[in-house]
Amino acid sequence: EVQVVESGGGLVQPGGSLRLSCAASGFTVSNYWMNWVRQAPGEGLVWVSSIDERGNLKGYADSVKGRFTISRDNAKNTLYLQMDSLRPEDTAIYFCTRDFEIWGQGALVTVSS
Amino acid sequence: DVVMTQSPLSLPVTLGQPASISCRSDQSLIHRNGNTYLIWLHQRPGQSPRRLFYKVSNRDSGVPDRFSGSGSGADFTLKISRVEAEDVGIYYCMQHTQWPYTFGQGTKLEIK
Repeated sequence: EVQVVESGGGLVQPGGSLRLSCAASGFTVSNYWMNWVRQAPGEGLVWVSSIDERGNLKGYADSVKGRFTISRDNAKNTLYLQMDSLRPEDTAIYFCTRDFEIWGQGALVTVSS
Repeated sequence: DVVMTQSPLSLPVTLGQPASISCRSDQSLIHRNGNTYLIWLHQRPGQSPRRLFYKVSNRDSGVPDRFSGSGSGADFTLKISRVEAEDVGIYYCMQHTQWPYTFGQGTKLEIK
């Protein structure tokens, strides 16, 4: 079955760091564009970051540029989102998605003191 | 950034009746390769989004044919020919023609 499963969410203080993981099964992450999308409580969907098949192209929303880093481990077939200098406004469910076709269940990140 | 504007934002519909959602972008979504990267997503409460259409009008597997996607350039429409109870939720359009990718505000469909 083709699926992605996020992990690594949790409660972190402002200024702290978290790394989200997105484990893929049923397909190879290096063959697809992979993306992160987030959704704050009660709000709409917001694109966060994308990486192309070869890992050469990486895009970020202005709100996370310089703080978040997208990467991929082909051997582990896993996508990552390293989140540094977290702010309360980063609080959201973070979804991993393959081509916006396959979505995970999401990982909740709460930034609060 | 490309601004995506959906209307209406709230859509009460009687079961069995049609529904239509408009999505407009403030610039053309035609990529230099000729493709238009406009997708429609449906999100039920408490669930992850589900893609319905990609590249404007290509229906994803398992999406009922009472759903249709159309449009070109900067003007797009999602139509449901006969609304069923399972169609409730929020519908989003999204462009991934250029970075930053952007979503519409979402249209909440409810049963009257």
